[in-house]
Amino acid sequence: EVQLVESGGGVVRPGGSLRLSCAASGYTFQAHGMSWVRQAPGKGLEWVAGLNWNGDTTTYGDSVKGRFIISRDNARNSLYLQMNSLRAEDTALYYCAKDASYIGLDLWGQGTMVTVSS
Amino acid sequence: QSALTQPASVSGSPGQSITISCTGTSSDVGAYNYVSWYQHQPDKAPKLVIFDVNRRPSGISHRFSGSKSGNTASLTISGLQPEDEADYYCCSYTTSSRGVFGGGTKLTVL
Repeated sequence: EVQLVESGGGVVRPGGSLRLSCAASGYTFQAHGMSWVRQAPGKGLEWVAGLNWNGDTTTYGDSVKGRFIISRDNARNSLYLQMNSLRAEDTALYYCAKDASYIGLDLWGQGTMVTVSS
Repeated sequence: QSALTQPASVSGSPGQSITISCTGTSSDVGAYNYVSWYQHQPDKAPKLVIFDVNRRPSGISHRFSGSKSGNTASLTISGLQPEDEADYYCCSYTTSSRGVFGGGTKLTVL
């Protein structure tokens, strides 16, 4: 089955860190770029970060640049998001998504919830 | 990077057509033909309905179509059906190699 499954969400205190994972299956993971997208409670979708097929090109949204790191392990068919210096405004449902084209995200996971609260 | 501008809500009756606009700048929507649209229903993952301005993924109804003129992209849904009710988001690739979403449009099928 073609799918993405996120994990690693939870509750963390402001200033803390968390690492999200996304396991891909059913397609050639290393052939496609990937993105992380989030949705804060009651808000719209926000593109967070993206990387190309081999991970040597990464880009970030302004709100997370310098705090989050996106990476991948093609041998493990996995995508990661290292989140540091977390803030209350990072509270959101985080989705990983597969790039069919430039920001044409044709496969999404179900999301993992991150709550930043003291 | 500012979010793309979408109307907050649109509505239509079954069988009618609606169009949702998505306005950006020459650094995003106007820069490339890389605009995508997503349907997001409650408790579901977002679903790609249009990519590269006007291409439909496999399995997406021909009732969904996309276009672009200058810095504004549009999604048209023809022959509205009750199951089309959802939030719709546009997204554009930018000249800084990032993605930027619109604020979302709530479609109500009356």
